[in-house]
Amino acid sequence: GQQLNQSPQSMFIQEGEDVSMNCTSSSIFNTWLWYKQEPGEGPVLLIALYKAGELTSNGRLTAQFGITRKDSFLNISASIPSDVGIYFCAGRLQGGSEKLVFGKGTKLTVNP
Amino acid sequence: NAGVTQTPKFRILKIGQSMTLQCTQDMNHNYMYWYRQDPGMGLKLIYYSVGAGITDKGEVPNGYNVSRSTTEDFPLRLELAAPSQTSVYFCASSFGQRHTEAFFGQGTRLTVV
Repeated sequence: GQQLNQSPQSMFIQEGEDVSMNCTSSSIFNTWLWYKQEPGEGPVLLIALYKAGELTSNGRLTAQFGITRKDSFLNISASIPSDVGIYFCAGRLQGGSEKLVFGKGTKLTVNP
Repeated sequence: NAGVTQTPKFRILKIGQSMTLQCTQDMNHNYMYWYRQDPGMGLKLIYYSVGAGITDKGEVPNGYNVSRSTTEDFPLRLELAAPSQTSVYFCASSFGQRHTEAFFGQGTRLTVV
């Protein structure tokens, strides 16, 4: 199946630091979504991107839809302990497919 | 507003047993999805539906069946449970093609022994 390569796999940072993670693929996507999952819960949508080059913020979170349409990144500024969780990228392939493909996630640990 | 509701939250099955995972949404979404999440992995699509009466296979459909008789409900059926089906199952829904934001339920943790 289609693969999204998400990196890094895990991050250990100090409170207050900025965080950056990204997803890449060899395929073209027409939608990129970023989710956060906390233990025992379902993923919660953070940001949705629909146009190449689009840059969207949600509080301290900023995500961009890559110009080539094959990648996306998520930045978290001034991290806080409640940012802990697993962050997933997800994308919908160009071509009309209704499938939403997920990356393997970035596990974020924030040390107070 | 309940969103996407999954039942049960936990279940232990014996090999060869069958069960149905229930999923219902009250957002009038057309699209519904079933994913499984294995430890340390992302979500893999099992089946999806773009509307009542329409279902299609995802990446890992073997061993599962679905039906979509109403807009609200999208049950996932395991006919002959196998240990490889031990996983956390998530149901999700979205409005449709131009609105791909999928909203997830809280998951069903299934163990097959």
